[in-house]
Amino acid sequence: NAGVMQNPRHLVRRRGQEARLRCSPMKGHSHVYWYRQLPEEGLKFMVYLQKENIIDESGMPKERFSAEFPKEGPSILRIQQVVRGDSAAYFCASSPLRALNTEAFFGQGTRLTVV
Amino acid sequence: EDKVVQSPLSLVVHEGDTVTLNCSYEVTNFRSLLWYKQEKKAPTFLFMLTSSGIEKKSGRLSSILDKKELFSILNITATQTGDSAIYLCAVDNNNDMRFGAGTRLTVKP
Repeated sequence: NAGVMQNPRHLVRRRGQEARLRCSPMKGHSHVYWYRQLPEEGLKFMVYLQKENIIDESGMPKERFSAEFPKEGPSILRIQQVVRGDSAAYFCASSPLRALNTEAFFGQGTRLTVV
Repeated sequence: EDKVVQSPLSLVVHEGDTVTLNCSYEVTNFRSLLWYKQEKKAPTFLFMLTSSGIEKKSGRLSSILDKKELFSILNITATQTGDSAIYLCAVDNNNDMRFGAGTRLTVKP
């Protein structure tokens, strides 16, 4: 059983371009969480999704950021018109249950650099 | 291949006990080791360790890193039921972050 797979591992985008980050949860997991990590900081919650539903997007910026978790395929975190401040590591975690504190597994992250 | 191993996987104690959680790692390009407490929605950042032998403390929690033996421990003294959680260790290897499987701590009244 492969772990949570994130790709790409590194992504470089110019200002104004779009960034698409993918997260394939562990097999059998239907809950996905996305986090952002700035240097020297902890993981900041962005959004929690179940298949085809956004459950909680309270941590996600209102503009330029969107997330989806389709019935088939990975969860996608999309950042439109990227700016330098979007440079960070983005992590996802998947869980078979609703609450992260019961069982969840993390991917290795995607490091986004905006130049 | 880089890896992070936490032990024990599960631990049950009573309130007031002291616990020690372990995290050992093998990474090619160590930058830092981080401890998190996995809450319902997001992991709570506890400590970031980069240097050997320097203990970091926050209330009843403390942590130390040994870069020679490649491990870290997280100590919790006078445990409370609110400490019940999964504790995650992660290692930043300059390329990505590798998470351990976590230690599930249960503190009984």
